[in-house]
Amino acid sequence: SYELTQPSSVSVSPGQTARITCSGDVLAKKYARWFQQKPGQAPVLVIYKDSERPSGIPERFSGSSSGTTVTLTISGAQVEDEADYYCYSAADNNLERVFGGGTKLTVL
Amino acid sequence: EVQLVESGGGLVKPGGSLRLSCAASGFTFSSYSMNWVRQAPGKGLEWVSSISSSSSYIYYADSVKGRFTISRDNAKNSLYLQMNSLRAEDTAVYYCARAGGEDWGQGTLVTVSS
Repeated sequence: SYELTQPSSVSVSPGQTARITCSGDVLAKKYARWFQQKPGQAPVLVIYKDSERPSGIPERFSGSSSGTTVTLTISGAQVEDEADYYCYSAADNNLERVFGGGTKLTVL
Repeated sequence: EVQLVESGGGLVKPGGSLRLSCAASGFTFSSYSMNWVRQAPGKGLEWVSSISSSSSYIYYADSVKGRFTISRDNAKNSLYLQMNSLRAEDTAVYYCARAGGEDWGQGTLVTVSS
């Protein structure tokens, strides 16, 4: 098995830039996705293929990749962006998928 | 509008079995791989299993391998998860989702307790 490592929490003030990292050896070879999950709700895809944004996701959400680390950036974070964020990828052998442990973003 | 509706959750004793279902609508179900993902109370997301569009490729997390079986019926636009030999640590909300993560159901709660 393999792992994706995220910080447990990130905190920013409204209007600041929030950056959430996800690290794992497989990320050098496989794309990552990012999901946002608010309490009591199902996850929502906010980034796929490391940096692509699905339709309907605000432009302030962006993704980037460098080596074994991918980063979700929320430029000008808003109070409504407060949520748990999870990275997700497939294993090198494509037999497994895995989520990172999740990062709780606080915007206040 | 894409809809994924899970059902079949509930309370079951350790060692028991449950079969979860996911009814899909609003997209061409037979063209997409599907996932089951779970979330234990207060914990993070855990990938459980994936199945390709024609059921040719099936994958499981180590934590459920040999106990859970994923399947689908493209004629009925339905995804299933047969869960046997359930343990307390299988207690979670179980979500079905398109493999790309674009769409998720609302989840169904499975509680394993005596």
